[in-house]
Amino acid sequence: SQTIHQWPATLVQPVGSPLSLECTVEGTSNPNLYWYRQAAGRGLQLLFYSVGIGQISSEVPQNLSASRPQDRQFILSSKKLLLSDSGFYLCAWLHQDRVGNEQFFGPGTRLTVL
Amino acid sequence: LAKTTQPISMDSYEGQEVNITCSHNNIATNDYITWYQQFPSQGPRFIIQGYKTKVTNEVASLFIPADRKSSTLSLPRVSLSDTAVYYCLVGEAGTGRRALTFGSGTRLQVQP
Repeated sequence: SQTIHQWPATLVQPVGSPLSLECTVEGTSNPNLYWYRQAAGRGLQLLFYSVGIGQISSEVPQNLSASRPQDRQFILSSKKLLLSDSGFYLCAWLHQDRVGNEQFFGPGTRLTVL
Repeated sequence: LAKTTQPISMDSYEGQEVNITCSHNNIATNDYITWYQQFPSQGPRFIIQGYKTKVTNEVASLFIPADRKSSTLSLPRVSLSDTAVYYCLVGEAGTGRRALTFGSGTRLQVQP
């Protein structure tokens, strides 16, 4: 079966510090991978998606970046965090079949920027 | 992308049936309609997906009229544990960005 991991689970970082969040998927190959951010009490904002190694599409211009160095690894980074980067970061992979598609989400990372 | 509109919040009581309607006037021919459930501090979880007419699984039913410009998620006999945010999504069954985009969702509060 497929599983998706994210770490760390929680993170408190000062403004201006760097960031690296990691997401890995097991049990599937060549998955479509997504990074979302959810601010407190808000919906999910799609940040990046990737359809393959080294292929990253950005949805929202900001101080964040993403990389996919391996097939089942997706990394979210920042060189200098802003207060507005605080939120709940979710990684997801897309399962597709002839009927439709479904996204499976990881446990998330709660980031607080102080 | 087809934009979705759903109520911000709904209240219900245990044992009642809850119907959450979502509008998606610009739905495209290849778009599916998907509903997710999210509890606090967790990622969304797939509930149900459909293309037209009615779809039913062990937890919910999805009603889609012929014009597909709206859909209704039906939760039978809700319990306190159904208190969550419910998202309606419209997206193409394909790869990449057009797969699914989340809106603000409907916050369902179930009272005892």
